[in-house]
Amino acid sequence: GENVEQHPSTLSVQEGDSAVIKCTYSDSASNYFPWYKQELGKRPQLIIDIRSNVGEKKDQRIAVTLNKTAKHFSLHITETQPEDSAVYFCAAIQPSPVMNYGGSQGNLIFGKGTKLSVKP
Amino acid sequence: GAGVSQTPSNKVTEKGKYVELRCDPISGHTALYWYRQSLGQGPEFLIYFQGTGAADDSGLPNDRFFAVRPEGSVSTLKIQRTERGDSAVYLCASSFGGSGPWGADTQYFGPGTRLTVL
Repeated sequence: GENVEQHPSTLSVQEGDSAVIKCTYSDSASNYFPWYKQELGKRPQLIIDIRSNVGEKKDQRIAVTLNKTAKHFSLHITETQPEDSAVYFCAAIQPSPVMNYGGSQGNLIFGKGTKLSVKP
Repeated sequence: GAGVSQTPSNKVTEKGKYVELRCDPISGHTALYWYRQSLGQGPEFLIYFQGTGAADDSGLPNDRFFAVRPEGSVSTLKIQRTERGDSAVYLCASSFGGSGPWGADTQYFGPGTRLTVL
């Protein structure tokens, strides 16, 4: 089955600097890679995701890159702000035998998380 | 509703008791997932429904755990003979349940139920 490794476990940056979090996955059949932000006591919130037909996706200060050959993907946050402080989780889909509309569904396998602290 | 809802938000029970946790997915979402999150860890998959049927229950830790979704909407996670090790936040997520060939639908999470077994 799928296995996801995430690094680093903690990351501290100064406000305005960039932050990069890296993840690797094991199952080459995985084709969907979301990133979630979780504040203390709150639900995981999707911040960006990438599908295997593209190598990079950007949304304002957040970008994700995917290298299918190396089976790794990364989250990049530029111009960090104190409100970016949270735990970030990467995930990869564990493809399911249930097929819908020619696509696939399945559960997510999460990394262990990165606690990002942005110091003002 | 606007998002995934879960009840109760907190549940404290004694070892050996039976508990039920409820999840109300986003209207129209046919896929529903249960995850468990322990302190300092990422969510861990338990079971996934497509419509009324369990498409994948390989994450359920043992036969004390069971989940149903009889009408393809609300789901209930049932835990029998609770143990202290069952203490965690139980998260529910839902997704639309249909996609093109390039990957799955976004999973939207509920706020979770914090289960404490004394």
